[in-house]
Amino acid sequence: QLQLQESGPGLAKPSETLSLTCTVSGGSISSGSYYWGWIRQPPREGLEWIGSIHYSGNTYYKPSLKSRVTISVDTSKYQLSLKLYSVTAADTAVYYCARHLLSGNGAFDIWGQGTLVTVSS
Amino acid sequence: QSVLTQPPSASGTPGQRVTISCSGSSSNIGTNSVNWYQQFPGTAPKLLIYSNNQRPSGVPDRFSGSKSGTSASLAIGGLQSEDEADYYCAAWDDTLSDVVFGGGTKLTVL
Repeated sequence: QLQLQESGPGLAKPSETLSLTCTVSGGSISSGSYYWGWIRQPPREGLEWIGSIHYSGNTYYKPSLKSRVTISVDTSKYQLSLKLYSVTAADTAVYYCARHLLSGNGAFDIWGQGTLVTVSS
Repeated sequence: QSVLTQPPSASGTPGQRVTISCSGSSSNIGTNSVNWYQQFPGTAPKLLIYSNNQRPSGVPDRFSGSKSGTSASLAIGGLQSEDEADYYCAAWDDTLSDVVFGGGTKLTVL
């Protein structure tokens, strides 16, 4: 069945760029019905949507993060990527990728296990 | 401060029925579908209810969702100890152009 797996450095320095990859397996990343999203969760806090991308390249970003985020997709590698620029300690969080029915009911129906990124010098 | 408002905690005894509320506005719950997620400590959230009241395959029918106006509710019937988890509501917000989540409700089974 469809599985998602996040990967990337667990540590980022303040002011630098956080880069993560999500690999999709067991299914197609090019399904027209779905977007692929990134959600984060700071320690002991709630969930925050970062943005979502369609395999065609169409993207939606959380307005408050839009100036610092780029989400891209590589369909040949079945991967989506997240870049968050100029990070601070407030960006410390578990980062999840998830399949997103953005144009429908908006549900994130399949999630990766998440990866913790700590922003610290 | 979350756009969707949930009680921070809820509790019940085994077998009881518990309800968790989620309050929003006309630009989110009032217009769009509400989805609910269940999260156990140290694990990824799991979709529990979508489109206000639909259960994904494999979710027990003890879990049900409803929506009225700008509020939504998650009900858990026949409460079990394994239901102890955090529950989040979420919806698209047309004004903010954002996916908004509730702050989460920690359910304790006494």
